[in-house]
Amino acid sequence: EIVLTQSPGTLSLSPGERATLSCRASQSVASSHLVWYQQKPGQAPRLLLYGASSRATDIPNRFSGSGSGTDFTLTISRLEPEDFAVYYCQQYGRPSWTFGQGTKVEIK
Amino acid sequence: EVQLVESGGGLVQPGGSLRLSCAASGLSFSSSEMTWVRQAPGKGLEWISYISGSGTIVYYADSVKGRFTISRDNAENSLYLQMNSLRAEDTAVYYCATWHWLLYFDSWGQGALVTVSS
Repeated sequence: EIVLTQSPGTLSLSPGERATLSCRASQSVASSHLVWYQQKPGQAPRLLLYGASSRATDIPNRFSGSGSGTDFTLTISRLEPEDFAVYYCQQYGRPSWTFGQGTKVEIK
Repeated sequence: EVQLVESGGGLVQPGGSLRLSCAASGLSFSSSEMTWVRQAPGKGLEWISYISGSGTIVYYADSVKGRFTISRDNAENSLYLQMNSLRAEDTAVYYCATWHWLLYFDSWGQGALVTVSS
């Protein structure tokens, strides 16, 4: 089973700042199989990026993804108030799907 | 618009059983691959089960294999999760979610809370 490790666990930033979130896999993951979600308290996760870098419908272009192999990155270019949330990476490797443990982006 | 509505959550004693349901609308259910994902209180997301559109292919995470059974009724547009031999560590919000062909969890329900406690 592929293990995804996200860092940092918590990111304390101010609105307008840039956020860089890391997702490292225990073995190589196809870029097409790497996804990012955003989750706010009391809500279901929301799809942000799929295929490592393709934005989902209605996701603003301040969200971008990059990476390949074992190292992937989610970047939020300028944090808006609504971006403070928990972010999860997820990989697909049938018959197993795994998530990272999450990175919380909190207001500094 | 796709809607997924989970039901059947609640409080159950360790060793007990519970059956979750997920009612789907706004999609071609019989063509949709479906999954269950759970989230323990204050913790991260954990995929636990998958079922193909026809119901002939199922997968489980090791943590629930042999105890949980996923099934579906395409005539009723419903997905199920039968949970047996429940443990305290199964306490979580359980989400049903569609699996998109572009390889991501697409639509999610609002979640059903299952609490395993004596």
